Amino acid sequence: ETGVTQSPTHLIKTRGQQVTLRCSSQSGHNTVSWYQQALGQGPQFIFQYYREEENGRGNFPPRFSGLQFPNYSSELNVNALELDDSALYLCASSLRTGSYEQYFGPGTRLTVT
Amino acid sequence: SQQGEEDPQALSIQEGENATMNCSYKTSINNLQWYRQNSGRGLVHLILIRSNEREKHSGRLRVTLDTSKKSSSLLITASRAADTASYFCATLRLIQGAQKLVFGQGTRLTINP
Repeated sequence: ETGVTQSPTHLIKTRGQQVTLRCSSQSGHNTVSWYQQALGQGPQFIFQYYREEENGRGNFPPRFSGLQFPNYSSELNVNALELDDSALYLCASSLRTGSYEQYFGPGTRLTVT
Repeated sequence: SQQGEEDPQALSIQEGENATMNCSYKTSINNLQWYRQNSGRGLVHLILIRSNEREKHSGRLRVTLDTSKKSSSLLITASRAADTASYFCATLRLIQGAQKLVFGQGTRLTINP
């Protein structure tokens, strides 16, 4: 167990809806990253938050947005869901400075119908 | 886009045999990491090898790195049924101030009892 938790475990939404996924970082970690993993693929970087600000984004549209709170927990919000958004969403926490290792949560499986 | 390619995409061996997975990447790196993922859940960090290292061991795991060929291999010795999982290599890239992991597509390893 990494100490990173995510909720919910599974979620089913309809195309066009909005969804919020939550992540609680490992104690002491001030950086959280979100990844999308399509079936049979490796995870793809969505964005990273450090001290409540986004400090890097991958190739994802603006309808993917996030928040990081003072306690370093985080949310991933996706608006106007599309069928291709169906995936496993992983969050990972890390220390901002001098750490190469990211600690992953168990993920949220999102299905868009 | 995926940074690396794992080879093979799927591997099935008998318990007790050794399993070797390969990874190639495209750009210069500071380090390369290997992760394990069980049944589409969260990723578990296995081992990190730095660019100035050629080989690293951790228990039954042996990782090699050849920066001239931009390739790495992961060897699992004396495999067990519990080693059944997907294995990913990942490199750390800096993007807009964020440290993001760039994953390959993974090798799906099945250990048959």
